[in-house]
Amino acid sequence: QVQLVQSGAEVKGPGASVKVSCKASGYTFTKYYIHWVRQAPGHGPEWMGVINPSGTTATYAQKFQGRVTMTRDASTSTVYMELSGLRSEDTAVYYCARDRIAYCAGDCPLDYWGQGTLVTVSS
Amino acid sequence: DIQMTQSPSSLSASVGDRVTITCRASQGISNYVAWYQQKPGKVPKLLMYAASTLQSGVPSRFSGSGSGTDFTLTISSLQPEDVATYFCQKYNSAPLTFGGGTKVEI
Repeated sequence: QVQLVQSGAEVKGPGASVKVSCKASGYTFTKYYIHWVRQAPGHGPEWMGVINPSGTTATYAQKFQGRVTMTRDASTSTVYMELSGLRSEDTAVYYCARDRIAYCAGDCPLDYWGQGTLVTVSS
Repeated sequence: DIQMTQSPSSLSASVGDRVTITCRASQGISNYVAWYQQKPGKVPKLLMYAASTLQSGVPSRFSGSGSGTDFTLTISSLQPEDVATYFCQKYNSAPLTFGGGTKVEI
């Protein structure tokens, strides 16, 4: 069965960076785009960006340009999202999620989600 | 960027009621709309895509409609397990924006 398993909760200080991992299993890793979505407490989901199956291209929401980097390692079927310059407003649950269709170019609804990683930014 | 505006932000209904949630896009997006259900403390779950296509395993009391800028999600007969927040999302192109959500209570 398809699974996306994320790394554990993180607590970071203002200005620090955080790197969240998302390990995929149960499907052909190199066929699907992976998105990152975050959700602040009491708020709706916010799309951060998407990375292509080969890891050569990532598209980021303008809000996160310059602060976010998405990468993937095919040898371990793992996708990573690194967010730098953390501030209190970045406190949220961060999710990875998969395109519903293979090779969908990131323009697809999201059918499988990771369990979420809580990132807390606090001094 | 295209904005997705949901209404109402919350609603309370009785078991067996018909419930309708609306999502409006700031520009036309054909039928590139998905709906998600999120129960408290849980991960969002895909309910519907292409505005009206039910995701596998989703009960048939859920239906969707719309094209262009106006979309609706309908629950034909509200059940206790439907208590959740529902989000629309546009996915025709990046950024894949979500609506603000509609909290459904009984």
